[in-house]
Amino acid sequence: AQSVSQHNHHVILSEAASLELGCNYSYGGTVNLFWYVQYPGQHLQLLLKYFSGDPLVKGIKGFEAEFIKSKFSFNLRKPSVQWSDTAEYFCAVNGMTGGGNKLTFGTGTQLKVEL
Amino acid sequence: DTGVSQNPRHKITKRGQNVTFRCDPISEHNRLYWYRQTLGQGPEFLTYFQNEAQLEKSRLLSDRFSAERPKGSFSTLEIQRTEQGDSAMYLCASSFDSNTGELFFGEGSRLTVL
Repeated sequence: AQSVSQHNHHVILSEAASLELGCNYSYGGTVNLFWYVQYPGQHLQLLLKYFSGDPLVKGIKGFEAEFIKSKFSFNLRKPSVQWSDTAEYFCAVNGMTGGGNKLTFGTGTQLKVEL
Repeated sequence: DTGVSQNPRHKITKRGQNVTFRCDPISEHNRLYWYRQTLGQGPEFLTYFQNEAQLEKSRLLSDRFSAERPKGSFSTLEIQRTEQGDSAMYLCASSFDSNTGELFFGEGSRLTVL
């Protein structure tokens, strides 16, 4: 079975601060990794994804994530956050056991960016 | 709007009543998923369809839950004899027929069982 652990449940930052949200997964095989974001009052939407190749992936709005296979990690980063980044962030994994995009999500990190 | 559509957006019901939620996926997507999200948790997988075939069900999906996708387009999720523990946000998502594709989520249907 696959599982995802997000270490930070609530993060508060000032604008322009740097962000790093931790994500570790548990799965023995090949994985696809995702970060989804949910802005207040909106639906979940994809921020970025890793399938293969360059372990440093770039997403929308200046976000990036690095896949470190040896650490089973896929941490999300942004050099300088904005107030509009206030949202809940979910890491998700899809273990490639065949059949379906059955994503397993972490518990989420609530990010609040203060002016 | 061509995104995933769910209704009703909110449902308040008394314990023991039946409720049904509907999901209209993005039209060209073959796969449709149901997830449940409770406060402080990430979405938890319930079930998924490829076209009209229900291919997988989570152990979370008790006998009181049933999902259908009769013509491979919209889907319904019915909960019979609701319990207070069923209170949650029920999310629908759809995707292309690919194991590496992105899931597109709807805004969810929030259920409150009194």
